[in-house]
Amino acid sequence: KQEVTQIPAALSVPEGENLVLNCSFTDSAIYNLQWFRQDPGKGLTSLLLIQSSQREQTSGRLNASLDKSSGRSTLYIAASQPGDSATYLCAAPPGAEYGNKLVFGAGTILRVKS
Amino acid sequence: GAGVSQSPSNKVTEKGKDVELRCDPISGHTALYWYRQSLGQGLEFLIYFQGNSAPDKSGLPSDRFSAERTGGSVSTLTIQRTQQEDSAVYLCASSFGGGYGYTFGSGTRLTVV
Repeated sequence: KQEVTQIPAALSVPEGENLVLNCSFTDSAIYNLQWFRQDPGKGLTSLLLIQSSQREQTSGRLNASLDKSSGRSTLYIAASQPGDSATYLCAAPPGAEYGNKLVFGAGTILRVKS
Repeated sequence: GAGVSQSPSNKVTEKGKDVELRCDPISGHTALYWYRQSLGQGLEFLIYFQGNSAPDKSGLPSDRFSAERTGGSVSTLTIQRTQQEDSAVYLCASSFGGGYGYTFGSGTRLTVV
């Protein structure tokens, strides 16, 4: 059964710092991995989708990498801003089964201080 | 539509009443998912529809919960005889299917009093 773990659970940094959020998954037979952002009281916003054939994806100040062999993904945020404060969620499919529901990590709560 | 639409955005109901939550997915998306997020908790999978296939109901917590998807588009999640532990944010997502990313709606916050 796929399990997704995110470290750290919470992170507080001063504005301008570069930071790394970590995600690990137990079943590496995945076809993609997706990172989301959730603001308090809101739904989830998709940030990056990495296909299994890719090693990384970039969107603005965000860069996500995927290493299937080690069961890890990282989300790198460059030059953090107070507006980046949110919960960041990593989600992976349940393994070799195609087209099934995503399994979510518990999230990393990020606070960027001005 | 441009995004996944959920209604109502907020629902307060008395314990024991039935509620219906609606999800209108992105046009053309064949897969539709329901998740639940209780206060301070992670996302809990409830049910998944893919095209005309039988839905994956493995995450429904009890037989008080049911969902349907009419015409391969709009979905309704029904909770019968609501209990206080049903209070949560119910999130709907849609996608083109496996291998494609999810798009989530803004959710329905359900409060059972």
